[in-house]
Amino acid sequence: GDSVTQMEGPVTLSEEAFLTINCTYTATGYPSLFWYVQYPGEGLQLLLKATKADDKGSNKGFEATYRKETTSFHLEKGSVQVSDSAVYFCALTNNDYKLSFGAGTTVTVRA
Amino acid sequence: AAGVIQSPRHLIKEKRETATLKCYPIPRHDTVYWYQQGPGQDPQFLISFYEKMQSDKGSIPDRFSAQQFSDYHSELNMSSLELGDSALYFCASRWTSGGLRGEQYFGPGTRLTVT
Repeated sequence: GDSVTQMEGPVTLSEEAFLTINCTYTATGYPSLFWYVQYPGEGLQLLLKATKADDKGSNKGFEATYRKETTSFHLEKGSVQVSDSAVYFCALTNNDYKLSFGAGTTVTVRA
Repeated sequence: AAGVIQSPRHLIKEKRETATLKCYPIPRHDTVYWYQQGPGQDPQFLISFYEKMQSDKGSIPDRFSAQQFSDYHSELNMSSLELGDSALYFCASRWTSGGLRGEQYFGPGTRLTVT
């Protein structure tokens, strides 16, 4: 079945550092790919998305490019802030129904 | 903008009791999904409904049932609760006709604690 593999955390960074969270997937066909963010004590928020190869999703300084050749959707941000501390989930859907999530990566940004 | 509403936000039950979680999707959204997130875990898909019919089923225990009503709100009924049912339960909604394929909007979750 479809699955998502995420870089294991936790990740601890200093403010203004570069963040990369690796995500690879296994799926048939052409899945849609997503990054969700979960701030402490809150629900899941859609951060960015991409629906086809070479699409680049971007939001709040975060970017991820749908790479079909490497089945990857790595999340990047050039300069993180303390407010970016959260758990980040890579996810896919392949049939317009359920989302399959990665294990989540906890990111802590220190001032 | 209106968001997905879940109630209650917190629920404490004892083992073997019954719980009902409610989800009110974003207006015009016709599809509802339920996910369970255990402590430190990723969300796991439980069940989904489209136009009041069950559309997909995941790892939902037989003790759980769910339905979507005519106003598109959904309820997740959980019986014979076990300690392992303690988790954050998310509802998500989607507008099948107009939304980006697979794009779901999540509610804040209901935190269920079974003691």
